[in-house]
Amino acid sequence: LAKTTQPISMDSYEGQEVNITCSHNNIATNDYITWYQQFPSQGPRFIIQGYKTKVTNEVASLFIPADRKSSTLSLPRVSLSDTAVYYCLVEDTGGFKTIFGAGTRLFVKA
Amino acid sequence: DTEVTQTPKHLVMGMTNKKSLKCEQHMGHRAMYWYKQKAKKPPELMFVYSYEKLSINESVPSRFSPECPNSSLLNLHLHALQPEDSALYLCASSQGYGLVAGAHNEQFFGPGTRLTVL
Repeated sequence: LAKTTQPISMDSYEGQEVNITCSHNNIATNDYITWYQQFPSQGPRFIIQGYKTKVTNEVASLFIPADRKSSTLSLPRVSLSDTAVYYCLVEDTGGFKTIFGAGTRLFVKA
Repeated sequence: DTEVTQTPKHLVMGMTNKKSLKCEQHMGHRAMYWYKQKAKKPPELMFVYSYEKLSINESVPSRFSPECPNSSLLNLHLHALQPEDSALYLCASSQGYGLVAGAHNEQFFGPGTRLTVL
């Protein structure tokens, strides 16, 4: 599976849009891109998953360019409760193999 | 019920002890996972069960022994652990479409068991 690279940390203010970019240069044809959110002392929580182009749900959008070598998680209008670690990962959804990226610590300030 | 439960929440054990971690889900999921997470690190995949059969073992030492008694339960048996095995152990489940590549695969995680090995 492709390894991922993402920024170690980011700061933002309440109400701003936050974009976190992840690189996955060696992504394979069968791999999906998935993002999870994790709060301290809790298990990760699924945010969004995509294969190509754009995916949007009620909490986030995921932008994937045509070459699929990177992806961007977009969180609209963040609040203090969005302070968490955000993991980018590639998944071989047919084979269940999952490798989490190092994670981006997002800190939202008032 | 979209919850994955794990027991115990905390566990302290000596290096000669034998203990077990338990995980349960009632979402009808057929894939279940064990992850290990050290402080300020991402979760690392240890084992995956698909349809109650072990499908992935990420070269985990034999002192960790997984078991899937039925489709709702997943155990992790621990024996002769080392202090460096202290970590948060996370269980997850997903619908599990087997070898159908490309199927959406959202994993639902439990809260974890915080393990300390003395």
